[in-house]
Amino acid sequence: QQQVKQSPQSLIVQKGGISIINCAYENTAFDYFPWYQQFPGKGPALLIAIRPDVSEKKEGRFTISFNKSAKQFSLHIMDSQPGDSATYFCAARKGSARQLTFGSGTQLTVLP
Amino acid sequence: SAVISQKPSRDICQRGTSLTIQCQVDSQVTMMFWYRQQPGQSLTLIATANQGSEATYESGFVIDKFPISRPNLTFSTLTVSNMSPEDSSIYLCSVESLRTPKGNEQFFGPGTRLTVL
Repeated sequence: QQQVKQSPQSLIVQKGGISIINCAYENTAFDYFPWYQQFPGKGPALLIAIRPDVSEKKEGRFTISFNKSAKQFSLHIMDSQPGDSATYFCAARKGSARQLTFGSGTQLTVLP
Repeated sequence: SAVISQKPSRDICQRGTSLTIQCQVDSQVTMMFWYRQQPGQSLTLIATANQGSEATYESGFVIDKFPISRPNLTFSTLTVSNMSPEDSSIYLCSVESLRTPKGNEQFFGPGTRLTVL
């Protein structure tokens, strides 16, 4: 059972554009939603995270929008740069369980 | 954030052999996890490494195939036993650190890329 569904699988954006990646979850017990960025040959790096008590969180060019009623959350990358080209994973965690459930990943390419 | 190192970074192994992967953290952490990432795929949790007790395995993963040790709060090992080509993956150590301002964030090591011939 895929508990976190991520789309699109791949995304191509022009430099300066906005990249949007979406995730949907099924388990209402999830209470922590991080996004990870992974470059080839590297481990995932924590980018930004949100808890369901807020609808939006912004850190620099990265924003998470969270819709609790729809059980959806998304990552927005403003002013996308070629250096943002990487694979992005959304994830979710529930309470005391501690371990993360990951989405399937989105390969982002930002064209110069 | 916690600094995590893994050894080896990559290896090529023969079918039927075993490989032990080490994970070292620069600070004491409460939780340590082992994930598998097959080529071009997402991350799947193998097990939670418990300090001083047996690891907690996820569905589809068993101790005989993936024995795990965690002798202290900064170190863990994952062994991939009796390997087959299907075990070719990136194996990632992950820790949950309470030292970050936001608390309970999870960080990943650089991974061990395993190829089984």
